[in-house]
Amino acid sequence: KAGVTQTPRYLIKTRGQQVTLSCSPISGHRSVSWYQQTPGQGLQFLFEYFSETQRNKGNFPGRFSGRQFSNSRSEMNVSTLELGDSALYLCASSLDVSSYNEQFFGPGTRLTVL
Amino acid sequence: TQLLEQSPQFLSIQEGENLTVYCNSSSVFSSLQWYRQEPGEGPVLLVTVVTGGEVKKLKRLTFQFGDARKDSSLHITAAQPGDTGLYLCAGVRNTGNQFYFGTGTSLTVIP
Repeated sequence: KAGVTQTPRYLIKTRGQQVTLSCSPISGHRSVSWYQQTPGQGLQFLFEYFSETQRNKGNFPGRFSGRQFSNSRSEMNVSTLELGDSALYLCASSLDVSSYNEQFFGPGTRLTVL
Repeated sequence: TQLLEQSPQFLSIQEGENLTVYCNSSSVFSSLQWYRQEPGEGPVLLVTVVTGGEVKKLKRLTFQFGDARKDSSLHITAAQPGDTGLYLCAGVRNTGNQFYFGTGTSLTVIP
């Protein structure tokens, strides 16, 4: 079974630009969560999608948005990039989000904002 | 402030030594998970604990969930260089399905 894939793996942008990151979950998984990982803040929850609906949202500004397609693939978008958006963006898929379901993480997209 | 605080933040030990990593919170969690993350990769789940006081063993790794389900610990016996990585705890609170991650413990095992 193929794992979670994220594209692109690396991205360099400049302040003010926007970026779209993509995540393909494990086949059969309907829940996709996005996280931002930085050395200072650790892993911070962005949002979670299930069956094309956003079910949970973390404490991030509206510049961060996402969506999920009918095949469970998900994208996240960051508009008007700031230097502080430089981070590793991780996507995790699971059958459903609950206390007992394992989350499988992708390798992440390393975003650098100059 | 983070909901889950891990200690220590950094740990560098010699091969063969034992170590314990702590994950603490003032909140109650319905479950806690431990992950290990290696450079350039996403976190990989090691274990899930769901019952207060529960102890789980995975080879040289022992995980414990606190009786009040507010804290957890990870103990590694006879550490090996392959144990090197970032260890993360993550919990789901009783009130929702969102995962909250700990601050992380970076472990280096020196051969």
